[in-house]
Amino acid sequence: GAVVSQHPSRVICKSGTSVKIECRSLDFQATTMFWYRQFPKKSLMLMATSNEGSKATYEQGVEKDKFLINHASLTLSTLTVTSAHPEDSSFYICSARDLLRGGNTEAFFGQGTRLTVV
Amino acid sequence: DQQVKQNSPSLSVQEGRISILNCDYTNSMFDYFLWYKKYPAEGPTFLISISSIKDKNEDGRFTVFLNKSAKHLSLHIVPSQPGDSAVYFCAASASKTSYDKVIFGPGTSLSVIP
Repeated sequence: GAVVSQHPSRVICKSGTSVKIECRSLDFQATTMFWYRQFPKKSLMLMATSNEGSKATYEQGVEKDKFLINHASLTLSTLTVTSAHPEDSSFYICSARDLLRGGNTEAFFGQGTRLTVV
Repeated sequence: DQQVKQNSPSLSVQEGRISILNCDYTNSMFDYFLWYKKYPAEGPTFLISISSIKDKNEDGRFTVFLNKSAKHLSLHIVPSQPGDSAVYFCAASASKTSYDKVIFGPGTSLSVIP
């Protein structure tokens, strides 16, 4: 199956700094990628939809200026958590669907990034 | 407003028996449903999916049933194995909307007891 690679898997940063998380589709072109966040013992919450070459679409309640998304190519999307605070500590996961395959297809997920802000 | 619901946060099943995980949805635009398995600190792994034009899809030990009129689907695992112990997420998407985003339920933690 298709592979989505996410990096880094774990990051600890100081409060006030910014952190960038990368999401790559390794063997397919992902015109659209999705960013999720998971709080402990909670579901995956969709944060935003990242579209190649255009602005991301954010879900209600997600601050676009805090969570900057860039989808510069068909295989790479990045999420930057700006001016991170301890409440931003969470598990962030990206996913992509190979929409060029046509029809419905499953979404493939990266390994996730555990962000801890101290 | 939760569009995808999994009302059982946890489920325990004896090894070899059937595990039945349930999922309900509210958005009638959803036409594609997926089940994912997730271990702690890892990304979800796709298990099985079903399109709204079907009412059953089977893949090995996993079978998903869809009841569109009731907006309900279920995942059956038989026979259950200890390695199946994980959190299972039901997910749905509406292919006719923009971007095909996938919405997840809250998950059900399955424990298969040896």
